Amino acid sequence: DGGITQSPKYLFRKEGQNVTLSCEQNLNHDAMYWYRQDPGQGLRLIYYSQIVNDFQKGDIAEGYSVSREKKESFPLTVTSAQKNPTAFYLCASSTLRTGGTGELFFGEGSRLTVL
Amino acid sequence: KNEVEQSPQNLTAQEGEFITINCSYSVGISALHWLQQHPGGGIVSLFMLSSGKKKHGRLIATINIQEKHSSLHITASHPRDSAVYICAVLEYGNKLVFGAGTILRVKS
Repeated sequence: DGGITQSPKYLFRKEGQNVTLSCEQNLNHDAMYWYRQDPGQGLRLIYYSQIVNDFQKGDIAEGYSVSREKKESFPLTVTSAQKNPTAFYLCASSTLRTGGTGELFFGEGSRLTVL
Repeated sequence: KNEVEQSPQNLTAQEGEFITINCSYSVGISALHWLQQHPGGGIVSLFMLSSGKKKHGRLIATINIQEKHSSLHITASHPRDSAVYICAVLEYGNKLVFGAGTILRVKS
C-alpha cells in the first residue's frame, strides 16, 4: 500500500541536541513538505522540496535543516539553534497532474518535546 | 497579512444544520485543498479543487478562481463531523500554504 511514514511518533531531546525526524513516501510524489503545529495554532511551513536535490525555505526555516537526496525521503533536522523546538511536526507529500487533479497525503506526525 | 484566510475560526452547530466554512486567498494558485484534522493530529484530504465544485457524501466544496474564494459545505451535520477543517492552497512553484483552520463542533 502506498503511503507516507513519519518516525518517530514521539521524541524527547535535551536542550542543545540536534534531532532528525524521518519522512518516507512510496507514492512517487515529487513534492514533499515539513510543517510545524503549536497548540491551538495552524500549520506553518518549515521547508519544502519540489524535486530531488532541491528544497526551499518556508516561513519558519530558522533552526531547521533538510535534505532531499532521494525522491522517497525528506528528513528534517531540528538543530540546537531552534529556540523553541517543542511542537508537533507534520510531513506531507503531493503531486499535481495535468487537469488540476492530484493527491496530498500526510504523515501521522512527530511530537517533539525538549526537556 | 496571511496568504490564506479562513472564517469562521470557531463554529458550533446543532446536529442537522447546514454548515459553511469559507476560505479566501491572495495569491495565484494551482489548486486548493480542503483538509480535516481530528484530535491527535492526523490530517486527511477531503477535496482538491482547481475549478468548479466537488461533492462527496454530505460534503460539498466550491471554488471561484476569479474571486480567489472557496467554500466547504456540510449538509445534515452530525457530531462525528466535529473536527478542525483546514484550507490549503498550492501556489505556483508547489509551495503549499495553510489557513489557520476552523474548529467545528456539532452538538447532538
